[in-house]
Amino acid sequence: AQKITQTQPGMFVQEKEAVTLDCTYDTSDPSYGLFWYKQPSSGEMIFLIYQGSYDQQNATEGRYSLNFQKARKSANLVISASQLGDSAMYFCAMRDLEGSGYALNFGKGTSLLVTP
Amino acid sequence: EPEVTQTPSHQVTQMGQEVILRCVPISNHLYFYWYRQILGQKVEFLVSFYNNEISEKSEIFDDQFSVERPDGSNFTLKIRSTKLEDSAMYFCASSTQTGGNQPQHFGDGTRLSIL
Repeated sequence: AQKITQTQPGMFVQEKEAVTLDCTYDTSDPSYGLFWYKQPSSGEMIFLIYQGSYDQQNATEGRYSLNFQKARKSANLVISASQLGDSAMYFCAMRDLEGSGYALNFGKGTSLLVTP
Repeated sequence: EPEVTQTPSHQVTQMGQEVILRCVPISNHLYFYWYRQILGQKVEFLVSFYNNEISEKSEIFDDQFSVERPDGSNFTLKIRSTKLEDSAMYFCASSTQTGGNQPQHFGDGTRLSIL
């Protein structure tokens, strides 16, 4: 069974600073994918970034990067140059990439507040 | 950019009534999903659907729930006899394939309130 843990219920960061949101996971699957989603107060879920378990390099998408440490089973999201619009809930999720595992398994989320 | 569309945005229903939540996935996507998020809690998987049949479902997806793709564009979630604990945000998602790095794209959700 897969388990996603996000230990930071809430985080503050000042505008233009970088922030790291933690995500650790546990799985027995040899091949898996890790995803980060953003949920603003309006409620929609927005895909941010993906990291595959066999990817050699850490994923980057604009201001988002994923600090993937496979041995430590962590996939932390780094947001550089924070903006006020980054204030939202952030969810880490994973899925099995082999077999019939279709479901995304989500963590409990981290609430990020960006202050001026 | 193509997006997943869900209607209605908010549904209020009396306990025991049937409710149908509707979704229009992204047009070239083949895999469809429903998730729910009880207020203040994490997003939970309900069911996945491919090639006109359920491919996986969670323990939450009991006999009260059903899904259907009645035509080439809509994907629906039906709850036959709603309970108070069904109150949640329900998200529809779709993806081009299940494997690889293809993300599931979510709609804006339907907030279901059971009275």
